[in-house]
Amino acid sequence: GQQLNQSPQSMFIQEGEDVSMNCTSSSIFNTWLWYKQDPGEGPVLLIALYKAGELTSNGRLTAQFGITRKDSFLNISASIPSDVGIYFCAGPIVSGGSNYKLTFGKGTLLTVNP
Amino acid sequence: GAVVSQHPSRVICKSGTSVKIECRSLDFQATTMFWYRQFPKQSLMLMATSNEGSKATYEQGVEKDKFLINHASLTLSTLTVTSAHPEDSSFYICSADRARGNTEAFFGQGTRLTVV
Repeated sequence: GQQLNQSPQSMFIQEGEDVSMNCTSSSIFNTWLWYKQDPGEGPVLLIALYKAGELTSNGRLTAQFGITRKDSFLNISASIPSDVGIYFCAGPIVSGGSNYKLTFGKGTLLTVNP
Repeated sequence: GAVVSQHPSRVICKSGTSVKIECRSLDFQATTMFWYRQFPKQSLMLMATSNEGSKATYEQGVEKDKFLINHASLTLSTLTVTSAHPEDSSFYICSADRARGNTEAFFGQGTRLTVV
């Protein structure tokens, strides 16, 4: 099936460092979504990518839609303690007619040491 | 971003009782809402897709008689866990797509269900 392979599984970094995580798939996606989830909360949409090669920024976050449409990465620059959380990539899979459902990567747990 | 509100955020219930969780899209209409279950340190597992005015579509292995889903309006979907048991204790999350052409799913805050 269309699964997303997300890496790394976890990262421990110092405040101020840059972070990079990525997702790959054996199947083509026409949309890549990046979410952040804090403990006990629902995921929050960070960046949505809709075109192959698209590079989009949201503050210190930058994400790119791979040209092959089978991968995406998320970069966080100059990390701060509040960046701590689990980051998920997600992509839609057609589930019948015009319906879709999201498939998620397993997440990247980010820890930032002050 | 769009706002999806989920209620309650936490609930404790006795084994054998039923619990209803609400998911509302506050500033947009959602013809489709999704219900997920998340175990500790794991990713989100889709339980069912809720379509306004029609029956929900359940994922394989999810009991539709145990997890009743109703999507009576374009802004409200409910998940009822019937005859809850301790193994139903989990974090349940809903999401809704703003449906402006591109896929753009927004999530509720989640509901921590504890069955004692």
